[in-house]
Amino acid sequence: AQKITQTQPGMFVQEKEAVTLDCTYDTSDQSYGLFWYKQPSSGEMIFLIYQGSYDEQNATEGRYSLNFQKARKSANLVISASQLGDSAMYFCAMREGRGYTGNQFYFGTGTSLTVIP
Amino acid sequence: EAGVAQSPRYKIIEKRQSVAFWCNPISGHATLYWYQQILGQGPKLLIQFQNNGVVDDSQLPKDRFSAERLKGVDSTLKIQPAKLEDSAVYLCASSSSSGAAYEQYFGPGTRLTVT
Repeated sequence: AQKITQTQPGMFVQEKEAVTLDCTYDTSDQSYGLFWYKQPSSGEMIFLIYQGSYDEQNATEGRYSLNFQKARKSANLVISASQLGDSAMYFCAMREGRGYTGNQFYFGTGTSLTVIP
Repeated sequence: EAGVAQSPRYKIIEKRQSVAFWCNPISGHATLYWYQQILGQGPKLLIQFQNNGVVDDSQLPKDRFSAERLKGVDSTLKIQPAKLEDSAVYLCASSSSSGAAYEQYFGPGTRLTVT
């Protein structure tokens, strides 16, 4: 089974609108972390936001928020007020394990977001 | 704070040749990762180091790939001999051992083309 599933290969959003990128995950660990990364055409992976499995509040970082639904095992990224510079690939990732020596990281296949002027 | 450095940025080689990539992580980051990202796919972990020890190399094709992190700082990934299917971007990342997130910070990657 896939550890991270991103079902939207491509998404379009109008500038200044909000967009939700879907991510579901599969783990039997109680302690895990969920991440979103942005990869522009330049290729560098940029860390956006993190949600810990024990965090009760949804994570927010500026225009990014993570809609964490633990029972559904989903961790959707919401980008508010989209900007042209948001056009990029977005990857959902999961860290399993306790402590840095036992961490396993898994990435999804990504969603390509295009912001339309 | 300087980011993760990688070199070279681009490399073109013929199949059966050898190639090496270098990575210098963020200062103080104990954990270093090498990923392979084939066009249109997400990154796949090849090897993870904790200081100079290997934590996970289960997906490293050990018949042709090798990696080392001799002094627990910078690292080298080598492919010998290269195959056409090795064409990909090789990403290096590092993370701190403190904090709850252990988020990874990535370098710019090395784009390898095998002809």
